[in-house]
Amino acid sequence: SQKIEQNSEALNIQEGKTATLTCNYTNYSPAYLQWYRQDPGRGPVFLLLIRENEKEKRKERLKVTFDTTLKQSLFHITASQPADSATYLCALGRRGGYQKVTFGTGTKLQVIP
Amino acid sequence: EPEVTQTPSHQVTQMGQEVILRCVPISNHLYFYWYRQILGQKVEFLVSFYNNEISEKSEIFDDQFSVERPDGSNFTLKIRSTKLEDSAMYFCASSEEGFGELFFGEGSRLTVL
Repeated sequence: SQKIEQNSEALNIQEGKTATLTCNYTNYSPAYLQWYRQDPGRGPVFLLLIRENEKEKRKERLKVTFDTTLKQSLFHITASQPADSATYLCALGRRGGYQKVTFGTGTKLQVIP
Repeated sequence: EPEVTQTPSHQVTQMGQEVILRCVPISNHLYFYWYRQILGQKVEFLVSFYNNEISEKSEIFDDQFSVERPDGSNFTLKIRSTKLEDSAMYFCASSEEGFGELFFGEGSRLTVL
């Protein structure tokens, strides 16, 4: 069955450092991959989308890589700030048809001042 | 900035009662979705809706669930006879295209007693 795995344990990082979050998937051939941020009790907020034929995408302090051979995406936040503390969700979108995005379990990031 | 709005923010109901959750998607969006998130678990796809019909539904979306777009602005999720396990946060989302960024509402928390 399809599986999307993210670090289940919380990631604690010092302010100013680069946070790296991992998303691995199996039994899936996504056409694209998205990253969302979710704060407690709030809805997910879209951050970045990367397509299967793209290796890397950047937006301000955020960078996403996508390796379809390894079936892995890495999500980097450079110069992390306490305000970056949240749960980050990886979501895979399938090829063709209407959009059905499947979410991973998320990784909780805590940036320590 | 346009946003997806959901009502109510929290609803408490007795098991077996009918519940209607309401959503107003972003006005120029054509694709609508319901997701749910049980406390501490991942965001799960329920149903997608396009051109006034369901385009896809998950195995969670059984005969107890229905969706409707009663007018040009609202999108509703009805649960006919609630069960304890329906307790969750229900998120409405919309997108401009069938591919790409999902805009989520802040959710409706359903508690079934």
